[in-house]
Amino acid sequence: AQRVTQPEKLLSVFKGAPVELKCNYSYSGSPELFWYVQYSRQRLQLLLRHISRESIKGFTADLNKGETSFHLKKPFAQEEDSAMYYCALSGAGSYQLTFGKGTKLSVIP
Amino acid sequence: GAVVSQHPSRVICKSGTSVKIECRSLDFQATTMFWYRQFPKQSLMLMATSNEGSKATYEQGVEKDKFLINHASLTLSTLTVTSAHPEDSSFYICSAPRLSTDTQYFGPGTRLTVL
Repeated sequence: AQRVTQPEKLLSVFKGAPVELKCNYSYSGSPELFWYVQYSRQRLQLLLRHISRESIKGFTADLNKGETSFHLKKPFAQEEDSAMYYCALSGAGSYQLTFGKGTKLSVIP
Repeated sequence: GAVVSQHPSRVICKSGTSVKIECRSLDFQATTMFWYRQFPKQSLMLMATSNEGSKATYEQGVEKDKFLINHASLTLSTLTVTSAHPEDSSFYICSAPRLSTDTQYFGPGTRLTVL
């Protein structure tokens, strides 16, 4: 069975500090990994996906198949980064998503 | 940009009644849409895949007679919670993939409260 694990429910960091949101997955095959973000009172939106290998809003995430991880990182947190972050996976070519439980990031001014 | 809307945004109903939730893709066509359920402080759980012109595909444990899905057009999918009970109270979210950009868009969600 496929599973996404986000071990931290809440992560608080000071502005300017580095951020790492952890995500581990289990999947038999080659999954596609995503990070979605939900700002307060807004809908879920795609932050980045592993196949794009891009940096969005200063965030990056590298797929580590050996460790089955897809941690989200940002070197310097900003107050506007405060939000709920969900790691998700899908099978190759599928749009069905399996979500982690989410991590609430709080950036302290 | 591509937008997916849901209506209503919130609904309160009495136990035993049925509630219909609409999901629309506003500027693109979606042959497939997805329905998720989110309990408070929990993750999104995929309920079913809505397929235009054919039957929906339900995830294990989701009662198809309880959660009726109709995907009548390329821009509209509806989820009807039949004979709702308090345990059906939840946040229901739909999503639709835009194939031309290989990107999935989420609706704002519908808060259902069953009294």
